[in-house]
Amino acid sequence: KQEVTQIPAALSVPEGENLVLNCSFTDSAIYNLQWFRQDPGKGLTSLLLIQSSQREQTSGRLNASLDKSSGRSTLYIAASQPGDSATYLCAAQGGSEKLVFGKGTKLTVNP
Amino acid sequence: SAVISQKPSRDICQRGTSLTIQCQVDSQVTMMFWYRQQPGQSLTLIATANQGSEATYESGFVIDKFPISRPNLTFSTLTVSNMSPEDSSIYLCSVRRTSAGDEQYFGPGTRLTVT
Repeated sequence: KQEVTQIPAALSVPEGENLVLNCSFTDSAIYNLQWFRQDPGKGLTSLLLIQSSQREQTSGRLNASLDKSSGRSTLYIAASQPGDSATYLCAAQGGSEKLVFGKGTKLTVNP
Repeated sequence: SAVISQKPSRDICQRGTSLTIQCQVDSQVTMMFWYRQQPGQSLTLIATANQGSEATYESGFVIDKFPISRPNLTFSTLTVSNMSPEDSSIYLCSVRRTSAGDEQYFGPGTRLTVT
C-alpha cells in the first residue's frame, strides 16, 4: 500500500528565501507524481506533474525533482513571496491509478 | 488543463438530511473522482466515477451513503445522505486528463457543515 509523507508539516520563511519541500513515497512503482497548492478553504491547483520517466519539471520559480529509486520528490521554490503562502501537497499515482496524497506542508512567507 | 465548477460552494445542513453536489467540467473526460477533505486533514478518495459504468467506492465508503451519478462525460453528482456532523468536510470533484500525462485537476470544492 502506497504511503506518502511530507516533511516538514509547516515552514515559515522570510520573503526572498529559497526553500525546499520534501515528499517521500514507499512504493517506487509509481506512474507519476504531482505537486499541488491549496489555499485555505479552496480547491487544489496543480503546480507540476512529473512522469515516472522524467527526473524534473520546472515552471517559473518552481522546480520539482523525482528520484524513484530512493522514493523521494522535492519541490524547490526560488525567491519566495508572501503570495506563495499556502499548503503544498504531493500525490503519487501508482498502478491502482489512485492518487495517494501526503498530509501537506503549510508554508508561510513573511514580508 | 480543465476548468471544473461545483455547486453549491458551501452549505449548512441539518442532521438527517441529504445534499447533492454537482460537478461540471468544461470538456469531456473519462475519469472523474470525488474526494473528501476533513478539517485539518489531507484528501481521501471516496469513489471513482467513470461514464458508462458504476462508480467504484473506496474502503469505508458505501453507495447508500454516497450515491454518485455520471450521466455524461462532463457532469457528475455526489449525494451525501442521512448526514451527521461527522460528514462536515470539503468535498472535491476531480478529473484526469490522459492526454496530459494523467495530470489531475480539482474543482473549488463544496464546504459542507452539518449541524
